[in-house]
Amino acid sequence: AQSVTQLDSQVPVFEEAPVELRCNYSSSVSVYLFWYVQYPNQGLQLLLKYLSGSTLVESINGFEAEFNKSQTSFHLRKPSVHISDTAEYFCRGNGGGATNKLIFGTGTLLAVQP
Amino acid sequence: ETGVTQTPRHLVMGMTNKKSLKCEQHLGHNAMYWYKQSAKKPLELMFVYSLEERVENNSVPSRFSPECPNSSHLFLHLHTLQPEDSALYLCASSQSGAGGYTFGSGTRLTVV
Repeated sequence: AQSVTQLDSQVPVFEEAPVELRCNYSSSVSVYLFWYVQYPNQGLQLLLKYLSGSTLVESINGFEAEFNKSQTSFHLRKPSVHISDTAEYFCRGNGGGATNKLIFGTGTLLAVQP
Repeated sequence: ETGVTQTPRHLVMGMTNKKSLKCEQHLGHNAMYWYKQSAKKPLELMFVYSLEERVENNSVPSRFSPECPNSSHLFLHLHTLQPEDSALYLCASSQSGAGGYTFGSGTRLTVV
């Protein structure tokens, strides 16, 4: 079955601490992988994506994710978080097919505390 | 604004009401989508329109009725909803084959 798994529903962390949000995908999901961020009362915004090439991808606000084929993972990391990073983060893959169905994880709430 | 606009942002409706959600995009995309986001569940694809034709319907109850009059507008007509239909409804658009999706801010629906 096609699936994207985010093991942690909530990750509390202190400001300026490093964080890793975990994402694993099933082998039937295509290796086009994405991370989205959703701030309270807003829609999803694309954070970063892996399509091909370098396995380490970065966003403009300090997040990075590494595609690991052997571990079927695409974990999101940031070396030092800010209060403003508090949001829900969704990992996503493509299920393929005629409509290129999107496969989302259940989301991880990153709660940054002062 | 992301380029995909959804209205209203919030909606409270009774189980006997009829309402509509609206989505509008001016990105030149040719495919539009409705997703349902419930707490602690993955986003659920409800409907897909490509070139204004419905190409996928994920067994959504008939109390949800989509309409795509043109490539820039998408509606979700609601009638006789149930409390379990309360959720955030997200609209998205894309250019078929290009892979990039743009999401709207969503409509927070509460059924009472």
